[in-house]
Amino acid sequence: GAVVSQHPSWVICKSGTSVKIECRSLDFQATTMFWYRQFPKQSLMLMATSNEGSKATYEQGVEKDKFLINHASLTLSTLTVTSAHPEDSSFYICSARVPQNHDGYTFGSGTRLTVV
Amino acid sequence: SQQGEEDPQALSIQEGENATMNCSYKTSINNLQWYRQNSGRGLVHLILIRSNEREKHSGRLRVTLDTSKKSSSLLITASRAADTASYFCATGGGTYKYIFGTGTRLKVLA
Repeated sequence: GAVVSQHPSWVICKSGTSVKIECRSLDFQATTMFWYRQFPKQSLMLMATSNEGSKATYEQGVEKDKFLINHASLTLSTLTVTSAHPEDSSFYICSARVPQNHDGYTFGSGTRLTVV
Repeated sequence: SQQGEEDPQALSIQEGENATMNCSYKTSINNLQWYRQNSGRGLVHLILIRSNEREKHSGRLRVTLDTSKKSSSLLITASRAADTASYFCATGGGTYKYIFGTGTRLKVLA
């Protein structure tokens, strides 16, 4: 089945640095990917929709200059958390639409970001 | 917000009992999905039910959908300790942008 590989699975970084998270579709082309954030014991909140070859669409309240999304190819979307702060510590998950499956979707395994 | 709500927020049952979780949503949907998430881990897809379906089964799972009430339920029969996890519903519209519910934390006691 369609698999999305998300990397890294966890990362610790210092305040003020930037962190890049990759989401790669392994056996299909993902024209659309979604990025979610999850705080402890809370639900997943959609941050943005990443479209191959065009700008991402951000949900209300999500800072696009802080959470940079790049979807330069049909198999790779990246989320860069810029100038990270402790409050950015969270679990980030990507999801991709599987185009040949009308209801298709698949999720990455998530990235645990800790900013110290 | 389009986010759905689930109840109960937390549920604790004995092994062998059935667990029922409910999900309500606000907008029209193409389908609704249920996911499981073990603590600190990624999502595991459980089942998808389309808007024109009323009930679906998968092993010990039974999902119902009532589009008139904008609600769905997930029933886990004969629960096991390994079923301990958080369960989320996610609703998808035509854009395939899935909105997650608030989740139910299930604890199955051995």
